[in-house]
Amino acid sequence: QSALTQPRSVSGSPGQSVTISCTGTSSDVGVYNYVSWYQQHPGRAPKVMIYDVTKRPSGVPDRFSGSKSDNTASLTISGLQAEDEADYYCCSYAGSYTWVFGGGTKLTVL
Amino acid sequence: QVQLQESGPGLVKPSQSLSLTCTVSGGSISSGSYYWSWIRQPAGKGLEWIGRVYTRGNTNYNPSLKSRVTISIDTSKNQLSLKLSSVTAADTAVYYCAKAGGTTGIDVFDIWGQGTMVTVSS
Repeated sequence: QSALTQPRSVSGSPGQSVTISCTGTSSDVGVYNYVSWYQQHPGRAPKVMIYDVTKRPSGVPDRFSGSKSDNTASLTISGLQAEDEADYYCCSYAGSYTWVFGGGTKLTVL
Repeated sequence: QVQLQESGPGLVKPSQSLSLTCTVSGGSISSGSYYWSWIRQPAGKGLEWIGRVYTRGNTNYNPSLKSRVTISIDTSKNQLSLKLSSVTAADTAVYYCAKAGGTTGIDVFDIWGQGTMVTVSS
């Protein structure tokens, strides 16, 4: 069970869109539609932004969206705002009642 | 609204066992189909799922940690616990407890504690 692969960092200007990828394998991301995304600001606990690949919890802005193709899931943030600057982690069910996270992506809003 | 609070020693010596407790408030730990997980994060690094316990006491563990981990639940105290044996410096991290099984489903960690830092050092 290896960590999911995410880019170390991405950046964008306010108002722009950014996409963060999360690459797994045919044993996790590729076979289960149980991918979630978490936002973490410095010194804070993670917060779920997307679950089950595309669903948004109540209260999460619709600027956040998720998708998946084969072994890669993606989080897209449109209309970037300064408050979106944070670390983002993907997470996937990996079978046998286990979960695996990605290494995290630092989003910088320029 | 359910809230979680981790507690335990901030410093553990190498080769000893790490023991942490997570206290659940604002609701019963045994109500509903909730799963309670431990997740850790070394400084500047990513998240790692350690394992989980169901309200009935069933457990699942990360295969890479399974030989050293025990997670248990005490419904009378509304607490879950983590024990990690034979610790090394690599176990130094912020440890979070998290709940799954709310409206978003059993695969989603929808409520997290604030985390507690544990350092392994002599």
